[in-house]
Amino acid sequence: ETGVTQTPRHLVMGMTNKKSLKCEQHLGHNAMYWYKQSAKKPLELMFVYNFKEQTENNSVPSRFSPECPNSSHLFLHLHTLQPEDSALYLCASSRELSYEQYFGPGTRLTVT
Amino acid sequence: KNQVEQSPQSLIILEGKNCTLQCNYTVSPFSNLRWYKQDTGRGPVSLTIMTFSENTKSNGRYTATLDADTKQSSLHITASQLSDSASYICVVSSRDDKIIFGKGTRLHILP
Repeated sequence: ETGVTQTPRHLVMGMTNKKSLKCEQHLGHNAMYWYKQSAKKPLELMFVYNFKEQTENNSVPSRFSPECPNSSHLFLHLHTLQPEDSALYLCASSRELSYEQYFGPGTRLTVT
Repeated sequence: KNQVEQSPQSLIILEGKNCTLQCNYTVSPFSNLRWYKQDTGRGPVSLTIMTFSENTKSNGRYTATLDADTKQSSLHITASQLSDSASYICVVSSRDDKIIFGKGTRLHILP
């Protein structure tokens, strides 16, 4: 266990659904990240939060909406997704930006 | 442009054999380089971290090297085991907090 948990582990949703992914870290870290991992592609950084403030948004479509209510929790709200959004979504945290990241187990998302 | 290139893309070896994975980068200004192991369906787990002044670092049967002049790193796995089957990802961080991931090397260990 890395100290980073993600729920749900698997999610199947239609293109008109609204769902949320949850990430929680018990490490006292100040930075949290959302990544997308598609087959045969490197990890794609989506969002970065540092001390609850969003510091990076890598041109992610607005159908993905992050929320960081406190330094221990991170959400990714999903709505009107496309089939090409099907991927493994990984959450990570680190003590500070650029420090070692600890990853959660990921949520396997399938959009039908 | 900040890039991290890994080779080979995929590697198959017999259990007990050694192997070496390569990582070349163009990230600047360089801060550190990490190797992660990612089992199928799981999040990556850190194996080693190396800063500019470190040439070699070991973690059990894993030994990472770093040549900051040529901007190359390698991950050597000794006496491979079936549990070493995974993707190995090279990640380079810059001093301005950019994090660049390689595509990974998919390693298959055959019994």
